[in-house]
Amino acid sequence: SQQGEEDPQALSIQEGENATMNCSYKTSINNLQWYRQNSGRGLVHLILIRSNEREKHSGRLRVTLDTSKKSSSLLITASRAADTASYFCATDARDMRFGAGTRLTVKP
Amino acid sequence: EAGVAQSPRYKIIEKRQSVAFWCNPISGHATLYWYQQILGQGPKLLIQFQNNGVVDDSQLPKDRFSAERLKGVDSTLKIQPAKLEDSAVYLCASSLLRGNTGELFFGEGSRLTVL
Repeated sequence: SQQGEEDPQALSIQEGENATMNCSYKTSINNLQWYRQNSGRGLVHLILIRSNEREKHSGRLRVTLDTSKKSSSLLITASRAADTASYFCATDARDMRFGAGTRLTVKP
Repeated sequence: EAGVAQSPRYKIIEKRQSVAFWCNPISGHATLYWYQQILGQGPKLLIQFQNNGVVDDSQLPKDRFSAERLKGVDSTLKIQPAKLEDSAVYLCASSLLRGNTGELFFGEGSRLTVL
């Protein structure tokens, strides 16, 4: 399975701080995606990074990919209370499987 | 562009009863996924369709779960008979691209409570 595993499981920060969460996977990939899930809602796509890319930015999001370590990180800068959500990574290959996610709480 | 539509949003049933969930993906999306998400956990893939063919159903409990995607558009997921451990949110997602190369668009989910 190409399941991503996120860590930490939970993260609590103050508004304005940066939040970093990590994702590890086990085999070769073509792309890795990050998703956000607000409580009681479906998942929303944040960003896709391809295996030949090392870093990608989208607004306050910065994603890095290290294929040699089979890991990725998602950095949210200048966090806001509205960023409170669970964050998941998923890789391609045979299917899109998700890990348990990182639950981020941003305190106002 | 309309998003992925799912119904019902909520369903409460007794154990051993049956239930069906419906999903209408985004128009033109070839790939459709059903996920089960138990409270506090990540989504677990149940089945993946490419048009109306099954790509992966290795994690689908086939003794009680079934899914179909007639004509390669809408899909239904059925549970019969339901067990207490089936209480979860059932998420449908679709993707424009074949395989797993593109962004997944999720519906809001169908929350099932089995009593």
